[in-house]
Amino acid sequence: DGGITQSPKYLFRKEGQNVTLSCEQNLNHDAMYWYRQDPGQGLRLIYYSQIVNDFQKGDIAEGYSVSREKKESFPLTVTSAQKNPTAFYLCASRRGAHGYTFGSGTRLTVV
Amino acid sequence: AQSVTQLDSQVPVFEEAPVELRCNYSSSVSVYLFWYVQYPNQGLQLLLKYLSGSTLVKGINGFEAEFNKSQTSFHLRKPSVHISDTAEYFCAVSRNAGGTSYGKLTFGQGTILTVHP
Repeated sequence: DGGITQSPKYLFRKEGQNVTLSCEQNLNHDAMYWYRQDPGQGLRLIYYSQIVNDFQKGDIAEGYSVSREKKESFPLTVTSAQKNPTAFYLCASRRGAHGYTFGSGTRLTVV
Repeated sequence: AQSVTQLDSQVPVFEEAPVELRCNYSSSVSVYLFWYVQYPNQGLQLLLKYLSGSTLVKGINGFEAEFNKSQTSFHLRKPSVHISDTAEYFCAVSRNAGGTSYGKLTFGQGTILTVHP
């Protein structure tokens, strides 16, 4: 079955460390997205990529970085510059104008 | 730019009662409209979407929504809820034409629906 796989499901990080969240899709979708979810704030866009080797900042890109070297993969790195990284992170891909698929998310906790 | 406001952060309701979750949006261009449901520690599942045509949209699990262009609203309704409908619900929009923000979903803050026995 086609879909989006996010790993790991739970991630713990010490303050000052960088950490990379994985997002892989086998849907052959061109566009991919990273969202951050905090209670009461909905989902906010971090980065997105419309095509391989190209990506743009979303609304809250500071302290994050991404790469898009392959169509299937869009990893997100949470750097030590992100002041409040504890959150639930969702990856999504898009087919056509409105066909979105979401992964099951990664919960990151800074300890 | 688009924005979405979900008017209720929490909605408690008894089982088998009707429910309405309210969503207003703002946009200078035409948009697609979506409702998603999220269960704890899971991703988003699409309930329904409005693209064009009939303003009454039917989705999964007995949910429906009505697009009202003059009031810029897209309220979600269900005539009789079940315990299993307890979840968080998100309204979202995306522009339906080109431009730098094409394809990006903008979400509301979410509404937690709690169904009591």
